[in-house]
Amino acid sequence: DQQVKQNSPSLSVQEGRISILNCDYTNSMFDYFLWYKKYPAEGPTFLISISSIKDKNEDGRFTVFLNKSAKHLSLHIVPSQPGDSAVYFCAAIMNQGAQKLVFGQGTRLTINP
Amino acid sequence: ETGVTQSPTHLIKTRGQQVTLRCSSQSGHNTVSWYQQALGQGPQFIFQYYREEENGRGNFPPRFSGLQFPNYSSELNVNALELDDSALYLCASSLNPRSDQPQHFGDGTRLSIL
Repeated sequence: DQQVKQNSPSLSVQEGRISILNCDYTNSMFDYFLWYKKYPAEGPTFLISISSIKDKNEDGRFTVFLNKSAKHLSLHIVPSQPGDSAVYFCAAIMNQGAQKLVFGQGTRLTINP
Repeated sequence: ETGVTQSPTHLIKTRGQQVTLRCSSQSGHNTVSWYQQALGQGPQFIFQYYREEENGRGNFPPRFSGLQFPNYSSELNVNALELDDSALYLCASSLNPRSDQPQHFGDGTRLSIL
């Protein structure tokens, strides 16, 4: 039962353009959503999060949008830079029980010069 | 500020053996979680420790067990190793177990079972 899904295994974007990574979820009990970036041979690095009571959160070049009615969130990176090339994971968490992150399968983003 | 550190970085074991993986949490963090990441998948939650007590468990068998020490470092123990246990094991720590507290990950231990 995949509660968090990232349907695009890979995405290629030109340097300087906008990268849009998408994520869908099925469980309406999730109340926080997070994005992590992962380079090879390193652990995931926290990027940005959003509460279920908001529809947008921005931090520098990174913006996360949440559409609760569609159970969809997206991460926008603008402008994209070569250092953004990595695997991006969407994760969700419920405000009950353990602080258990439920991850998607990841999207590999490649920024082309 | 020291981040989350894990040891060892790589480990090779054979089926039926036992393994212990170690994690030092980030300074000031009292909550530690363990995740298993198979190739091409997202990390899967194994369990979480908060102030030395288990605070929740994912869908893993009892041969996966853990400990948290008074300094909030943690161990993951796996008994009777199986081939499917080959994976990257990630430790994450956070200030507390609230859902609005981001978890910060170590670089993981790559476990290979022969």
